[in-house]
Amino acid sequence: DIQMTQSPSTLSASVGDRVTITCRASQSISSWLAWYQQKPGKAPKLLIYKASSLESGVPSRFSGSGSGTEFTLTISSLQPDDFATYYCQQYNSYSPFAFGGGTKVEIK
Amino acid sequence: QVQLVQSGAEVKKPGASVKVSCKASGYTFTSYGISWVRQAPGQGLEWMGWISAYNGNTNYAQKLQGRVTMTTDTSTSTAYMELRSLRSDDTAVYYCARVDTAAPIDYWGQGTLVTVSS
Repeated sequence: DIQMTQSPSTLSASVGDRVTITCRASQSISSWLAWYQQKPGKAPKLLIYKASSLESGVPSRFSGSGSGTEFTLTISSLQPDDFATYYCQQYNSYSPFAFGGGTKVEIK
Repeated sequence: QVQLVQSGAEVKKPGASVKVSCKASGYTFTSYGISWVRQAPGQGLEWMGWISAYNGNTNYAQKLQGRVTMTTDTSTSTAYMELRSLRSDDTAVYYCARVDTAAPIDYWGQGTLVTVSS
């Protein structure tokens, strides 16, 4: 099975900072990668799909890049609403749809 | 609008089984699959498996094979997830979620807390 590894697990940042989260797959998943945001007590929310496509309604400060085994989620200018936990997920049809371990973005 | 409404919280004893339901509305149920994802307290998301609402095909996470069964009832647009031989580390919020072929999860249920305790 494909394993997904996120780093860092926790990130401390200030409003206005540029933030980058990395996700690595144990084998190539082409561009079959999604990013989700989760706030406490809520279901996750889809931000990015197919590695770099922005879900409708998601602010343009969020962007995704990468292909193969290495991917990044970037928040260009962190806003107060962005303090949350972020997960990557691979959705290659031929393998279980594993999630990364999550990255908690905290206020510095 | 797309909605996935899950059944209520459950408290179970170790060794028991639990069956969580997920009623879908606002879309053609058989045109999508349903994934089940769980989250233990303070932990990350764990993908449990997937079922096609079109033909009932399933794909389960290896660690749950033999203990989990996912089914659908197309007459009521409802998906079910049954987990057997419950252990304390099965305590988690269980989510159902809609998924299309070659696509990520786009809609989630509200979650169902399952507590396993003696």
